[in-house]
Amino acid sequence: GQQLNQSPQSMFIQEGEDVSMNCTSSSIFNTWLWYKQDPGEGPVLLIALYKAGELTSNGRLTAQFGITRKDSFLNISASIPSDVGIYFCAGRPNSGGYQKVTFGIGTKLQVIP
Amino acid sequence: GAGVSQSPRYKVAKRGQDVALRCDPISGHVSLFWYQQALGQGPEFLTYFQNEAQLDKSGLPSDRFFAERPEGSVSTLKIQRTQQEDSAVYLCASSSGDGTQYFGPGTRLLVL
Repeated sequence: GQQLNQSPQSMFIQEGEDVSMNCTSSSIFNTWLWYKQDPGEGPVLLIALYKAGELTSNGRLTAQFGITRKDSFLNISASIPSDVGIYFCAGRPNSGGYQKVTFGIGTKLQVIP
Repeated sequence: GAGVSQSPRYKVAKRGQDVALRCDPISGHVSLFWYQQALGQGPEFLTYFQNEAQLDKSGLPSDRFFAERPEGSVSTLKIQRTQQEDSAVYLCASSSGDGTQYFGPGTRLLVL
């Protein structure tokens, strides 16, 4: 099935560094979502974006909905060891009700203390 | 309960065996989704229920896969005559209808 393109696919960073990852799609989405998945658990929603150009923060996390509606990025500032995990972007055609969610392949983040 | 629960957490099956995976959604959530997550990949949509009605099953990979939610609460994903390529994590998610999906921990299926 279709999956969104995420980059980088994995990264090692030093604790305290900032992190940036992005996601692109060949299709337009009207909702962009960012999830984090810890080992042995299901994905947990971090940030939801509903409007092109929107910039939203959640603590040390900031995400933006691209103007073209075909991309999004996630920044993590001042990384800490518990940021380790796999980050998935996901897109949905519309903001409300039922719409199939398409996930990216994930960015695996390792933080070196 | 407080969150989505799934059972069993781990399942090892011999090729050709039938398996049944259970999902208990968050109480009151009308929407329920099943996803398949292969190793190193993101979740891929399998099927969607609104209450007891299965409104979208376009992601089910073959007719060996069957899902039901007879009373609009608990759901079961059944895989008949399992094959090695069915090995994956099967995730269930529920939603109140505002679009936000809450995921369970998944069932890890290994077919030998």
